This record gives sequence, C-alpha cells and structure tokens, in this order.
Amino acid sequence: GAVVSQHPSRVICKSGTSVKIECRSLDFQATTMFWYRQFPKQSLMLMATSNEGSKATYEQGVEKDKFLINHASLTLSTLTVTSAHPEDSSFYICSASRTGGQETQYFGPGTRLLVL
Amino acid sequence: AQTVTQSQPEMSVQEAETVTLSCTYDTSESDYYLFWYKQPPSRQMILVIRQEAYKQQNATENRFSVNFQKAAKSFSLKISDSQLGDAAMYFCAYRSPLWGTGANSKLTFGKGITLSVRP
Repeated sequence: GAVVSQHPSRVICKSGTSVKIECRSLDFQATTMFWYRQFPKQSLMLMATSNEGSKATYEQGVEKDKFLINHASLTLSTLTVTSAHPEDSSFYICSASRTGGQETQYFGPGTRLLVL
Repeated sequence: AQTVTQSQPEMSVQEAETVTLSCTYDTSESDYYLFWYKQPPSRQMILVIRQEAYKQQNATENRFSVNFQKAAKSFSLKISDSQLGDAAMYFCAYRSPLWGTGANSKLTFGKGITLSVRP
C-alpha cells in the first residue's frame, strides 16, 4: 500500500509554454500533498503544500503565479509550471500523506522537466 | 525553526560490512517524528525507517536500525550486512508537530549523504 504515481515521468518543452504534472495517490486518500524541487546531488526543496479543497500554501520565495497547484480530489494534485523558462528545468517530486494517518509522506517517482 | 544536519556528504562501505550514517537536528519541541529516506539512482524516494520521539525504543527494520538519542538530538542510521543495492543517497528528515496537519506536517530534510558500497 501507499503508492504515489506521477505523470509524466519526463517532459521536454519549449520556453514560454506551460507544463502540467499530475500526482496521484493510488491506494489511499491524501488530504495533503507536497511538491518538491530537487537539483542534482542536492536535497529536496519544498515548494508548496497542497490541501484538498483549499488553496495551496507556498514556501517563501516560490512564485504562486508561476507554479499553480490544484488539489481537486483526495487522490489527485496537479502542479502547472506556467510560461516555463530554462531555469525551471529540474526534477519535481510530489509526496502524499494519508488522511487520518499523516505522519509519513510517501513519494512519487518524480518528473524530470527540461525547458529548451 | 527546525534544522536537520547531515555533516558527512559521502561515505563508503565494504559489502557485508556495517555502516552508520549520522544525523543531528535542532528543535524546541518535545513531540515529533524522525525519518530516514533512501534515494537510489532512480531518484524514487523510499522510506527506510521511522522513529516517534515519544518512544524510547530504537526503531528497527530488518538490516536497518537507528540510534535515537533524544537529549543529544541525534538520529543515526545503522545499515548492517551492507548490500550493493544499498548504494544511494540517504536523507534524514524531521516532522513536527506530532498532531500537525496540512502545512504543519511538512518535512525538514538534511542535505543528504551519498553512500557507496564496494563489492
């Protein structure tokens, strides 16, 4: 149990376009999901906390209008990188905590974004 | 704010030997969770072990065990009988408060340590 999927696993896009990344909890309900960014050989940097049915909470320095988060159901959260630029190229990871048992975060496999 | 420190960027261990990865943290809270996550080359984050601060007994999962020293704010991971598949980046993480929800349940990660296993 506690499987989290992400789609797509890899995406290449042109500068100026928008990219949507989906995060799904496959076998449990997740009231809270988290979005991270990770550069090679570095730790995970929390971007925002996604709460089902409410607005996301963004970390300091993360542009809300740049990284749009929607958590419309208990099993799905989406991250949209709007007007992507080469500096947005990175590895994006989501995680989810079970509703009612929120102490452990389970991670998705990540999405590698390359903006040309 | 809580901080998690992993001071060793890299470690190496001989296959079948034992290795200990260090982690210290800083907090003023009394109830919290601590985690070790493994990130192999596939970059999939995998939960290795979890420790509740209110439990005195050290957590154990097969070849993985922790040495949790609450007063010293230390949380080291011991890997016994190291295997080639243990080669990965390992992250120590802190979660507080115990009862937090939403943004209050976020993890604070250390910088990670890269473990290599020599055959």
